[in-house]
Amino acid sequence: AQKVTQAQTEISVVEKEDVTLDCVYETRDTTYYLFWYKQPPSGELVFLIRRNSFDEQNEISGRYSWNFQKSTSSFNFTITASQVVDSAVYFCALSPGNYGGSQGNLIFGKGTKLSVKP
Amino acid sequence: DTEVTQTPKHLVMGMTNKKSLKCEQHMGHRAMYWYKQKAKKPPELMFVYSYEKLSINESVPSRFSPECPNSSLLNLHLHALQPEDSALYLCASSPLLRGPSNEQFFGPGTRLTVL
Repeated sequence: AQKVTQAQTEISVVEKEDVTLDCVYETRDTTYYLFWYKQPPSGELVFLIRRNSFDEQNEISGRYSWNFQKSTSSFNFTITASQVVDSAVYFCALSPGNYGGSQGNLIFGKGTKLSVKP
Repeated sequence: DTEVTQTPKHLVMGMTNKKSLKCEQHMGHRAMYWYKQKAKKPPELMFVYSYEKLSINESVPSRFSPECPNSSLLNLHLHALQPEDSALYLCASSPLLRGPSNEQFFGPGTRLTVL
């Protein structure tokens, strides 16, 4: 079965706090792709990162960082020094793959609503 | 140009109306998608087009009819909708349907209300 679990439904922090959003996935594929998307109140889903199953290097982009651990099937997302503009719903997604490429469909987690208060 | 545009932003329609949602991208992407998103839920895939041909139909009722006139344009024709069809309809595109670089880029969505 292919599945993405975001156990945290809602998180509330105060500005400048660090916050980690958890994502656990299930797949039998040896090749797969993981994504994080941000959905602010305006509704548009904003692509943040793609990671393939062969690349376990952690990634940092400004205040954002991602920790991919195949051993625990997790792909967690950390925001350092959070800001009010980070308030949004964050979705983790899995795209199963074969022959080295994704099949194209995205399996979304239920999302985590992050509220950053001033 | 790295964006997906959708029109209209908001749509209110009666159950007997016929309306269409429009999506456009000029990134040269060859795969385009329609998703439906209810409040506080993740997006649900409805249709996928690859090279202007319908590739995936996730058992969507026939009152939703997709159309891909060319590689840049995707329409969703609506007819005889039900109030439970009220949702945010998101369009997305990706370079290819299958491949190592296929992150999907989403439009801002059309918020549909069916009365």
